[in-house]
Amino acid sequence: EAQVTQNPRYLITVTGKKLTVTCSQNMNHEYMSWYRQDPGLGLRQIYYSMNVEVTDKGDVPEGYKVSRKEKRNFPLILESPSPNQTSLYFCAAGLSSYEQYFGPGTRLTVT
Amino acid sequence: GQNIDQPTEMTATEGAIVQINCTYQTSGFNGLFWYQQHAGEAPTFLSYNVLDGLEEKGRFSSFLSRSKGYSYLLLKELQMKDSASYLCAVRKAAGNKLTFGGGTRVLVKP
Repeated sequence: EAQVTQNPRYLITVTGKKLTVTCSQNMNHEYMSWYRQDPGLGLRQIYYSMNVEVTDKGDVPEGYKVSRKEKRNFPLILESPSPNQTSLYFCAAGLSSYEQYFGPGTRLTVT
Repeated sequence: GQNIDQPTEMTATEGAIVQINCTYQTSGFNGLFWYQQHAGEAPTFLSYNVLDGLEEKGRFSSFLSRSKGYSYLLLKELQMKDSASYLCAVRKAAGNKLTFGGGTRVLVKP
C-alpha cells in the first residue's frame, strides 16, 4: 500500500529549540515536498525535492531546512522554531508534482 | 508571483450539482490540480488539467481555460461524503513548485 508517514504527529515545543519532523515514503517516488496549512491561508509549499540531493525552495522557505540524502526520506528541520511556525505540516510524495500522496500531517505548536 | 482565487464556502443539496470556480494569475503555467480534503485529514488528488477542456472522472469533472486563467471542478450527484474542502493548485512552467488557493469548503445538506 502506497504510504507516506510523518513523525511526530503532534508536537508542542518552545521557541528556539531545534526540532526535526521526519517524512518517509515507500513508493520509490522521486518527488517529495513539505507544506504548511494555516486557517485562511491554505496550503503553502515550504520546500520540494526532485530527487536525492536536489532540493528547491517553495513559497515560504524562511526558517526551515530540508535534506534529501536518500530517496525515501525528506526531513523538515526547524533550527530555531518561533511561534509563527505553529501550523499543520504535510509531507507529500509523487512521481512528480503531478499526483502527490500526502502524509497524515504533523500538528506543531511553538510556545 | 501567483494569485489563485476560489470561493471560501459553498452549500448544496444532496443529489444536486455544484461548480467550484478557480481563477489564477501566473507568470508561467504548467498544469492545474484539484485536491479534496476532509476535515482533519490529508488532501487527496482529484484531477489534473494542463490542456484546455474538460476532464471527466466519474461524478467529478474538471475544466480548464488557459487563456482565461480559469478552471472549475464540477461535482455531480452530490453525496453527504462530498462535504469537504476542495483545493485548487497551479504548477508553474519552470520546476515543480505548486501554489494552492485557499480552498473552498463545500457543505452538502440532506
